[in-house]
Amino acid sequence: QKEVEQDPGPLSVPEGAIVSLNCTYSNSAFQYFMWYRQYSRKGPELLMYTYSSGNKEDGRFTAQVDKSSKYISLFIRDSQPSDSATYLCAMSGISFGNEKLTFGTGTRLTIIP
Amino acid sequence: EAGVAQSPRYKIIEKRQSVAFWCNPISGHATLYWYQQILGQGPKLLIQFQNNGVVDDSQLPKDRFSAERLKGVDSTLKIQPAKLEDSAVYLCASSLGIAVYNEQFFGPGTRLTVL
Repeated sequence: QKEVEQDPGPLSVPEGAIVSLNCTYSNSAFQYFMWYRQYSRKGPELLMYTYSSGNKEDGRFTAQVDKSSKYISLFIRDSQPSDSATYLCAMSGISFGNEKLTFGTGTRLTIIP
Repeated sequence: EAGVAQSPRYKIIEKRQSVAFWCNPISGHATLYWYQQILGQGPKLLIQFQNNGVVDDSQLPKDRFSAERLKGVDSTLKIQPAKLEDSAVYLCASSLGIAVYNEQFFGPGTRLTVL
């Protein structure tokens, strides 16, 4: 079993729709949870990060972490064609030796104008 | 602020040949990472440097991969000899410090094709 599981998609939705992206994980030591966006032929860029459980909102993006279920989500409201990219979840622990990022496989998202 | 620079952007080699990638991190960033991203997968950490010392190289295939960051700034990653399964994008990232809450900034990557 992989430490981090992510539905690879592809996912296509019409412009303006709400998008839900999800990851599950098995390592209970994970404390930091991140979402990266990766455009084609580019490196990943950090969208949001959350420490431990809870919600975090930034503009049209909301990140949720449910540590009891080992489940994290990213919601995109009012999706735009410029949101078309691959979205990677990533997570890490905080103790020494547990700090490297473990990434999901990424979900390819296309927003249809 | 200039981002993380990597070269070359693309490289095609035959198996058993050697190849080297170069990375110039963001100025002032003490921590440098090399990741391997195979098509359809997320990045996997190969090696992490803090200044010119290795912090984590547990996932680096040391029989064929090597990396150095001699002066604590630029870094090179070498593969010798290359195998077909080394075909991937090699991403370099840098951050201010080693703690996980320091954002990692990624370069555009070097796409390696091994024939």
